[in-house]
Amino acid sequence: TQLLEQSPQFLSIQEGENLTVYCNSSSVFSSLQWYRQEPGEGPVLLVTVVTGGEVKKLKRLTFQFGDARKDSSLHITAAQPGDTGLYLCAGASKTSYDKVIFGPGTSLSVIP
Amino acid sequence: DTGVSQDPRHKITKRGQNVTFRCDPISEHNRLYWYRQTLGQGPEFLTYFQNEAQLEKSRLLSDRFSAERPKGSFSTLEIQRTEQGDSAMYLCASSLGGHEQFFGPGTRLTVL
Repeated sequence: TQLLEQSPQFLSIQEGENLTVYCNSSSVFSSLQWYRQEPGEGPVLLVTVVTGGEVKKLKRLTFQFGDARKDSSLHITAAQPGDTGLYLCAGASKTSYDKVIFGPGTSLSVIP
Repeated sequence: DTGVSQDPRHKITKRGQNVTFRCDPISEHNRLYWYRQTLGQGPEFLTYFQNEAQLEKSRLLSDRFSAERPKGSFSTLEIQRTEQGDSAMYLCASSLGGHEQFFGPGTRLTVL
């Protein structure tokens, strides 16, 4: 069974600080997505990483896919209150191409 | 707006009643997914369709759950004889066949 773990589970920081959240698995994924979800809403896709070692930047967000395609990180620079939300990573299953497995998420709170 | 829509957004029902949720995907997307999400967890895969064909069902989907996508467009998820443990957010997502999925706002089910 493929599982994704995320850490930390909860993170509360002051506006302007930097942070990194992690997504780990013992399985290899063909691609990995990061989503952000706000309370009472569906997840919103932020980025997809496909190649081992790939780094993608989206404004203040930097995403990295591990060389072995088993893990990923999301780094936020100068966090803002608008970054508050649940950050989910999702991996495309190797056993079922169309099935995506989600991690439990990291709940981020950025305090003004 | 051409995003994924779900109806209703909220449903409160009594234990033992049947409920049906609707999902309208992005019009050109041929794949449609249903997930269930409980507080503090990531979305759990329930089932998915490619066009009108239901290709995979999770073991989480008991006999009380049924999903249809009769014309390859909108989909319905029905839960019969609801139980309190069915209380959750039910999310629908669609895709063009890649791993990037676009989510609707979800239907929040509360079973009393």
